[in-house]
Amino acid sequence: NAGVTQTPKFRVLKTGQSMTLLCAQDMNHEYMYWYRQDPGMGLRLIHYSVGEGTTAKGEVPDGYNVSRLKKQNFLLGLESAAPSQTSVYFCASNTLRGVRDIQYFGAGTRLSVL
Amino acid sequence: QQPVQSPQAVILREGEDAVINCSSSKALYSVHWYRQKHGEAPVFLMILLKGGEQKGHEKISASFNEKKQQSSLYLTASQLSYSGTYFCGTEGQGAQKLVFGQGTRLTINP
Repeated sequence: NAGVTQTPKFRVLKTGQSMTLLCAQDMNHEYMYWYRQDPGMGLRLIHYSVGEGTTAKGEVPDGYNVSRLKKQNFLLGLESAAPSQTSVYFCASNTLRGVRDIQYFGAGTRLSVL
Repeated sequence: QQPVQSPQAVILREGEDAVINCSSSKALYSVHWYRQKHGEAPVFLMILLKGGEQKGHEKISASFNEKKQQSSLYLTASQLSYSGTYFCGTEGQGAQKLVFGQGTRLTINP
Protein backbone atom coordinates (compact mmCIF):
# COMPACT_ATOMS: atom_id res chain seq x y z
CA ASN A 1 0.00 0.00 0.00
CA ALA A 2 1.80 3.10 -1.27
CA GLY A 3 -0.42 5.72 0.42
CA VAL A 4 0.29 9.18 -1.00
CA THR A 5 2.96 9.39 -3.70
CA GLN A 6 4.45 12.63 -5.02
CA THR A 7 6.51 12.99 -8.16
CA PRO A 8 9.07 14.32 -8.72
CA LYS A 9 10.96 14.38 -5.41
CA PHE A 10 13.35 17.15 -6.49
CA ARG A 11 13.31 19.69 -9.29
CA VAL A 12 15.28 22.74 -10.30
CA LEU A 13 13.62 25.24 -12.61
CA LYS A 14 14.68 28.47 -14.25
CA THR A 15 12.51 31.54 -13.81
CA GLY A 16 9.65 31.47 -16.28
CA GLN A 17 9.64 27.71 -16.84
CA SER A 18 6.56 25.64 -16.20
CA MET A 19 6.07 22.32 -14.48
CA THR A 20 3.45 20.00 -13.02
CA LEU A 21 3.68 18.19 -9.70
CA LEU A 22 1.73 14.96 -9.44
CA CYS A 23 0.09 13.61 -6.32
CA ALA A 24 -1.42 10.13 -6.40
CA GLN A 25 -3.23 8.33 -3.58
CA ASP A 26 -4.40 4.73 -3.50
CA MET A 27 -6.65 4.96 -0.43
CA ASN A 28 -9.83 6.01 -2.26
CA HIS A 29 -9.78 9.33 -0.41
CA GLU A 30 -12.16 12.11 -1.37
CA TYR A 31 -10.25 15.11 -0.05
CA MET A 32 -6.84 16.14 -1.36
CA TYR A 33 -4.65 19.14 -0.54
CA TRP A 34 -1.53 20.91 -1.78
CA TYR A 35 0.62 22.75 0.78
CA ARG A 36 3.86 24.63 0.58
CA GLN A 37 6.31 24.77 3.46
CA ASP A 38 8.85 27.54 3.92
CA PRO A 39 11.21 27.97 6.91
CA GLY A 40 9.37 29.41 9.90
CA MET A 41 6.05 29.56 8.05
CA GLY A 42 4.55 26.19 8.76
CA LEU A 43 2.30 24.56 6.15
CA ARG A 44 0.31 26.91 3.97
CA LEU A 45 -2.57 25.62 1.87
CA ILE A 46 -2.33 26.37 -1.85
CA HIS A 47 -5.39 24.60 -3.30
CA TYR A 48 -7.58 21.73 -2.28
CA SER A 49 -10.25 19.40 -3.66
CA VAL A 50 -13.22 17.78 -1.95
CA GLY A 51 -13.88 15.32 -4.74
CA GLU A 52 -13.21 14.37 -8.35
CA GLY A 53 -13.74 17.36 -10.64
CA THR A 54 -13.73 19.94 -7.82
CA THR A 55 -11.04 22.39 -6.74
CA ALA A 56 -10.90 25.37 -4.41
CA LYS A 57 -8.40 28.04 -3.44
CA GLY A 58 -6.48 27.94 -0.20
CA GLU A 59 -4.43 30.61 1.56
CA VAL A 60 -1.74 31.15 -1.08
CA PRO A 61 -3.17 30.20 -4.52
CA ASP A 62 -1.56 32.89 -6.69
CA GLY A 63 0.79 31.53 -9.34
CA TYR A 64 -0.56 27.98 -9.11
CA ASN A 65 -3.29 25.99 -10.83
CA VAL A 66 -4.68 22.56 -10.02
CA SER A 67 -6.77 19.83 -11.57
CA ARG A 68 -8.53 16.75 -10.19
CA LEU A 69 -9.69 14.85 -13.26
CA LYS A 70 -9.39 11.48 -11.54
CA LYS A 71 -10.22 10.79 -7.92
CA GLN A 72 -6.81 9.34 -7.16
CA ASN A 73 -4.75 12.16 -8.73
CA PHE A 74 -4.32 15.82 -7.84
CA LEU A 75 -2.03 17.89 -10.07
CA LEU A 76 -0.36 21.18 -9.13
CA GLY A 77 0.86 23.36 -11.97
CA LEU A 78 3.25 26.29 -12.07
CA GLU A 79 2.72 28.13 -15.35
CA SER A 80 5.63 30.57 -15.03
CA ALA A 81 7.89 29.74 -12.10
CA ALA A 82 9.28 32.52 -9.93
CA PRO A 83 12.06 32.40 -7.29
CA SER A 84 9.39 33.06 -4.62
CA GLN A 85 7.99 29.62 -5.43
CA THR A 86 11.14 27.93 -4.18
CA SER A 87 9.76 25.73 -1.43
CA VAL A 88 8.94 22.23 -0.30
CA TYR A 89 5.55 21.11 -1.56
CA PHE A 90 3.44 18.52 0.25
CA CYS A 91 0.35 16.77 -0.92
CA ALA A 92 -2.11 15.25 1.55
CA SER A 93 -5.37 13.35 1.42
CA ASN A 94 -8.11 12.21 3.75
CA THR A 95 -11.39 10.38 3.82
CA LEU A 96 -15.00 11.40 3.29
CA ARG A 97 -15.05 12.66 6.86
CA GLY A 98 -12.89 15.31 5.36
CA VAL A 99 -11.14 17.82 7.52
CA ARG A 100 -12.11 15.97 10.73
CA ASP A 101 -10.06 12.95 9.84
CA ILE A 102 -6.37 12.11 9.58
CA GLN A 103 -4.46 13.75 6.76
CA TYR A 104 -1.94 11.47 5.12
CA PHE A 105 1.02 13.31 3.64
CA GLY A 106 3.27 12.49 0.74
CA ALA A 107 7.05 12.64 1.10
CA GLY A 108 7.28 16.09 -0.47
CA THR A 109 8.74 17.73 -3.56
CA ARG A 110 11.70 20.05 -3.13
CA LEU A 111 11.56 22.75 -5.79
CA SER A 112 14.20 25.37 -6.47
CA VAL A 113 13.54 28.20 -8.92
CA LEU A 114 16.67 30.01 -10.06
CA GLN B 1 -6.05 33.23 10.12
CA GLN B 2 -3.02 31.27 11.23
CA PRO B 3 -3.12 29.90 14.80
CA VAL B 4 -0.28 30.92 17.08
CA GLN B 5 1.91 28.28 18.66
CA SER B 6 4.04 28.71 21.75
CA PRO B 7 6.80 28.26 22.50
CA GLN B 8 8.54 28.51 19.14
CA ALA B 9 11.29 26.19 20.33
CA VAL B 10 12.08 24.13 23.40
CA ILE B 11 15.06 22.05 24.46
CA LEU B 12 14.64 19.26 27.00
CA ARG B 13 16.58 16.43 28.52
CA GLU B 14 15.25 12.93 28.00
CA GLY B 15 12.55 12.15 30.56
CA GLU B 16 11.38 15.74 31.02
CA ASP B 17 7.90 16.96 30.18
CA ALA B 18 6.82 19.52 27.60
CA VAL B 19 3.66 21.46 26.81
CA ILE B 20 3.00 23.02 23.42
CA ASN B 21 0.18 25.50 23.04
CA CYS B 22 -1.96 26.47 20.05
CA SER B 23 -4.22 29.49 20.14
CA SER B 24 -6.68 30.88 17.61
CA SER B 25 -8.60 34.14 17.34
CA LYS B 26 -11.54 32.34 15.70
CA ALA B 27 -14.05 29.75 16.89
CA LEU B 28 -12.70 26.25 16.38
CA TYR B 29 -14.43 23.01 15.51
CA SER B 30 -11.41 20.77 15.66
CA VAL B 31 -7.69 20.91 16.38
CA HIS B 32 -5.16 18.56 14.83
CA TRP B 33 -1.57 17.88 15.89
CA TYR B 34 1.20 16.63 13.61
CA ARG B 35 4.91 15.98 14.13
CA GLN B 36 7.51 16.44 11.43
CA LYS B 37 11.08 15.20 11.58
CA HIS B 38 13.73 16.99 9.57
CA GLY B 39 13.44 16.22 5.86
CA GLU B 40 10.33 14.12 6.29
CA ALA B 41 6.59 14.53 5.87
CA PRO B 42 4.31 15.50 8.77
CA VAL B 43 2.83 12.55 10.66
CA PHE B 44 -0.52 12.51 12.44
CA LEU B 45 -0.59 12.59 16.25
CA MET B 46 -4.00 13.67 17.50
CA ILE B 47 -7.38 15.11 16.56
CA LEU B 48 -9.57 16.85 19.11
CA LEU B 49 -13.14 17.60 18.10
CA LYS B 50 -15.60 20.10 19.50
CA GLY B 51 -17.67 18.22 22.03
CA GLY B 52 -14.84 16.16 23.43
CA GLU B 53 -14.17 13.39 20.92
CA GLN B 54 -10.50 12.55 20.47
CA LYS B 55 -8.52 10.34 18.17
CA GLY B 56 -4.83 9.86 18.52
CA HIS B 57 -1.61 8.55 19.85
CA GLU B 58 -1.53 6.40 22.99
CA LYS B 59 1.47 8.04 24.63
CA ILE B 60 0.65 11.65 23.84
CA SER B 61 -2.23 13.60 25.30
CA ALA B 62 -3.86 16.87 24.45
CA SER B 63 -6.61 19.19 25.56
CA PHE B 64 -9.03 21.44 23.68
CA ASN B 65 -10.63 24.41 25.36
CA GLU B 66 -13.41 25.39 22.95
CA LYS B 67 -14.35 28.56 24.81
CA LYS B 68 -10.81 29.89 24.83
CA GLN B 69 -10.09 28.58 21.31
CA GLN B 70 -6.95 26.94 22.57
CA SER B 71 -5.36 23.52 22.51
CA SER B 72 -2.35 22.13 24.33
CA LEU B 73 -0.23 19.08 23.54
CA TYR B 74 1.36 17.30 26.50
CA LEU B 75 4.51 15.25 26.04
CA THR B 76 5.38 13.41 29.25
CA ALA B 77 8.60 11.56 30.04
CA SER B 78 9.97 12.64 26.68
CA GLN B 79 12.02 10.23 24.60
CA LEU B 80 14.71 11.02 22.05
CA SER B 81 12.26 9.98 19.33
CA TYR B 82 9.95 12.88 20.27
CA SER B 83 12.35 15.37 18.71
CA GLY B 84 10.93 17.24 15.74
CA THR B 85 8.69 20.13 14.84
CA TYR B 86 5.12 20.03 16.08
CA PHE B 87 2.31 21.69 14.17
CA CYS B 88 -1.24 22.36 15.17
CA GLY B 89 -3.90 22.63 12.48
CA THR B 90 -7.24 24.27 13.20
CA GLU B 91 -10.65 23.90 11.59
CA GLY B 92 -12.87 26.94 11.64
CA GLN B 93 -16.63 27.23 11.09
CA GLY B 94 -17.74 25.84 7.76
CA ALA B 95 -14.18 25.08 6.70
CA GLN B 96 -13.22 22.10 4.61
CA LYS B 97 -9.56 22.63 5.36
CA LEU B 98 -7.05 23.15 8.14
CA VAL B 99 -4.94 26.21 8.88
CA PHE B 100 -1.59 25.26 10.40
CA GLY B 101 0.45 27.12 12.96
CA GLN B 102 4.07 28.08 12.38
CA GLY B 103 5.38 25.10 14.34
CA THR B 104 7.23 24.40 17.60
CA ARG B 105 10.67 22.86 17.36
CA LEU B 106 11.29 20.32 20.12
CA THR B 107 14.81 19.05 20.80
CA ILE B 108 15.36 16.19 23.23
CA ASN B 109 18.91 15.67 24.46
CA PRO B 110 20.24 12.56 26.21
